[in-house]
Parts: sequence; C-alpha cells; structure tokens
Amino acid sequence: KAGVTQTPRYLIKTRGQQVTLSCSPISGHRSVSWYQQTPGQGLQFLFEYFSETQRNKGNFPGRFSGRQFSNSRSEMNVSTLELGDSALYLCASSLRQGGETQYFGPGTRLLVL
Amino acid sequence: AQKVTQAQTEISVVEKEDVTLDCVYETRDTTYYLFWYKQPPSGELVFLIRRNSFDEQNEISGRYSWNFQKSTSSFNFTITASQVVDSAVYFCALSEAGYSTLTFGKGTMLLVSP
Repeated sequence: KAGVTQTPRYLIKTRGQQVTLSCSPISGHRSVSWYQQTPGQGLQFLFEYFSETQRNKGNFPGRFSGRQFSNSRSEMNVSTLELGDSALYLCASSLRQGGETQYFGPGTRLLVL
Repeated sequence: AQKVTQAQTEISVVEKEDVTLDCVYETRDTTYYLFWYKQPPSGELVFLIRRNSFDEQNEISGRYSWNFQKSTSSFNFTITASQVVDSAVYFCALSEAGYSTLTFGKGTMLLVSP
C-alpha cells in the first residue's frame, strides 16, 4: 500500500505570496491532519479533517486554511506569507478519528524569502 | 490542556550501549493514547508504537522496549544495543479520545557513534 504523499516536496516563495500544499492519504484513510515543524516551536498541530469537515484547528492565524475533498485528499493554503512561515509542513493520515495511529508523509519544506 | 515533556534534548552514546528516552505527559482525560515516532534526517516521521491509557503492559519489539507507567505519567522508550542507524530525533506524542490531534514533545536527538 502506498504511503502518504505530499506535493511539492520543496518550495521557495517570497513574502506576501500565497502557497497551496497537497496531501494524498493512505488508501482507505479518511482522517487527515496537518502539522508545522520549525526549529523554535517544534511540531505544532494545524488542522484535522474527517469526511470533508474540519474537526479541530490549532492556534494559527486565519492566513492558514485547509480543506478536504471527497476522496480524502487534502490541501492547505497559506496566504500573505511571512518569513516565520518557513517550515516543514507534515501531513498525516489515519483510518478514523480519535486515537488512531497517524502515518506521516515526507513533508513539504517551505522557504519564505 | 495536554502537554508532553521530553527533558532530554540530546543524548550521545557509543554503539552497543543501551539508552532510555524519557517522556512525561499531562492530560485530564482518562482515555488517551501515547505514541513514539522516529524522525531521521530525511524528515519523515516514522511510527514506532501506540499505547492506550488502559493498557499499561510493557512492550518489547526487537531491540526496542517501552515502559508505560500511569502512576508517574511516563512512557519511556529504551533501545538496547544501540546502532548507528538508530541516530535520529525521537518524538513522544499524546492524543485524547475523540480527536486525532497529536501533541508532541520537543523531541530527543539521539546520536549513536561507532
């Protein structure tokens, strides 16, 4: 079974631009979560989606948004990029909500100049 | 609010030494789940183990073992006879019932030298 895939793997943007990251979960998994990893803040939760509905949201500004499609694929968008948005963005999928093991993708490395 | 503390920022050992990575958690829930993940330099988080709050039985998988103690809110991870390939950052994480959201500790970087 293919693992979680994320595209693109690397991205360079400039301040003020927007970016869209994509995540395809493991086949059959319906829950997708996104995390941001930075050296200073570590791994921080962004959103959790299940059945196309956002079930939980982390403490991030409204510039961060996401969605999930009927095939469970998910996208996250960051508008008006800031230097501090430079990070590794990790997507994870699980069969269901609530305590299930999350399997992570390779991540998208975003650099904002 | 839930919290995970990994007090060891970095540990250096020589190959074949045993090493224990500490994890202490805080949660108000009675039902919760604990996890360990490994992050090699490539960046991808690799799942190692999942434990629910009602199962305090210790687990052993090859050179890896986990000690879950609710009385001290700890979920420690031991690598026996460490190898260079074990070098990575290890994260302990917690999720509460009803959500998939993981709260991670800051991670422990393990360096195993030959």
